[in-house]
Amino acid sequence: DIQMTQSPSSLSASVGDKVVITCQASQDISIHLNWYQQKPGQAPRLLIYDVKTPETGVPSRFSGSGSGTHYTFTISSLQPEDVATYYCQQCDNLIGTFGQGTKLEIK
Amino acid sequence: EVQLVQSRAAVKKPGESLKISCRASGYNFNTYWIAWVRQMPGKGLECMGIIYPDDSDTRYGLSFQGQVTMSVDKSLSTAFLQWNSLKVSDTAIYYCVRQNMRNALENWGQGTVVAVSS
Repeated sequence: DIQMTQSPSSLSASVGDKVVITCQASQDISIHLNWYQQKPGQAPRLLIYDVKTPETGVPSRFSGSGSGTHYTFTISSLQPEDVATYYCQQCDNLIGTFGQGTKLEIK
Repeated sequence: EVQLVQSRAAVKKPGESLKISCRASGYNFNTYWIAWVRQMPGKGLECMGIIYPDDSDTRYGLSFQGQVTMSVDKSLSTAFLQWNSLKVSDTAIYYCVRQNMRNALENWGQGTVVAVSS
């Protein structure tokens, strides 16, 4: 199984701050890396797929980058509505595996 | 509009059986993988496995092989997740998700809460 190590596990930042979450894969997963947002009490939502392609309707402040085994998710200017838990997911094989999640709060 | 509507919450006792459902609409049900994702209380997301409705090709995650059964009814555009003998540790929210052509989990159901307690 491909393991995904996500950090940090929690994060507190101020409105307007730049927020960065990282994800490390246990082996090369090429472009098969996705990011999801889960707000409290809601189902997750796909934000970014194939490392950096935004899903339709996703605000431009969300972006992704990376390659090989190291990936980054960035919120360029944190907004109050971004309070959520964020997950990376590899889909190099059909059954993807998730990172442990990053719980993002407003300071 | 793609929609996945899941069955209501279930409260069960250990050892009981359960089959939850996921009705799809707004797209060709037969030609997209459906994934099932577990979220235990206060925990992260785990992909249990996936099924391809057109031929019922099913792949289970290592932790879930032999623990659950995935199936579909193409005539109803509905996917199912089934347990023969529930355990307390099966208590979780279960999501069905349409996997897009890039293998990303694009469209999520609202989740089904399964509570197992004696």
